[in-house]
Amino acid sequence: QVQLQESGPGLVKPSQTLSLTCTVSGDSITSGSYYWTWIRQPAGRGLEWIGRIYTLGTTDYSPSLKSRVSMSLDTSKNLFSLRLTSLTAADTAVYFCARFRSFAFDLWGHGTMVTVSS
Amino acid sequence: DIVMTQSPDSLAVSLGERATINCKSSQSVLFNSDKKNYVTWYQQKPGQPPKLLIYWASTRESGVPDRFIGSGSGTDFTLTISSLQAEDVAVYYCQQSYATPFTFGPGTKVDIK
Repeated sequence: QVQLQESGPGLVKPSQTLSLTCTVSGDSITSGSYYWTWIRQPAGRGLEWIGRIYTLGTTDYSPSLKSRVSMSLDTSKNLFSLRLTSLTAADTAVYFCARFRSFAFDLWGHGTMVTVSS
Repeated sequence: DIVMTQSPDSLAVSLGERATINCKSSQSVLFNSDKKNYVTWYQQKPGQPPKLLIYWASTRESGVPDRFIGSGSGTDFTLTISSLQAEDVAVYYCQQSYATPFTFGPGTKVDIK
């Protein structure tokens, strides 16, 4: 059974950089034609797609975040990562990693809360 | 960006009754090459990640009860819960994967009347 687990700091200061990882267990991150994705959800609000990275390493980011976002794969550790720079309070949210199976997000991590505050 | 809107914002339905949620996209999400509508429905319960219910507008994900029914094409889509159960209390989101950036509707909260 494939599972995803996010990890990272719960609290980050404004203007700093957020780094999150999503560890994939139960299968190799390169075994299928999947896009590995980050999605966030501010408290009590809707879902925002941040971007995705393909198993071959190509990336695709939301235009609204593109200047601040980067994603990478670590096949040796079977994980993928999100880096978000120049944080503000507006970046406070639950961050989910998810697997995109050609047409839908079929597997999700439980999410990790990130608070941007001094 | 493709904007997804949902109505109503919330609804309360008696147990065993039908719940209907509407979703509209700002442009068609029907791929001509495969004639599939790239709209997906998710269910999210408090403190949990979203769960995939329906993809390609009407295809139920494995393990999803058949009371969840997706329909629609082009720009207008509907999720119907044919007989509401207590465990269906949740927020439901539609989402388009026709074009990046992928976008979600604002969600519809379903409660028991």
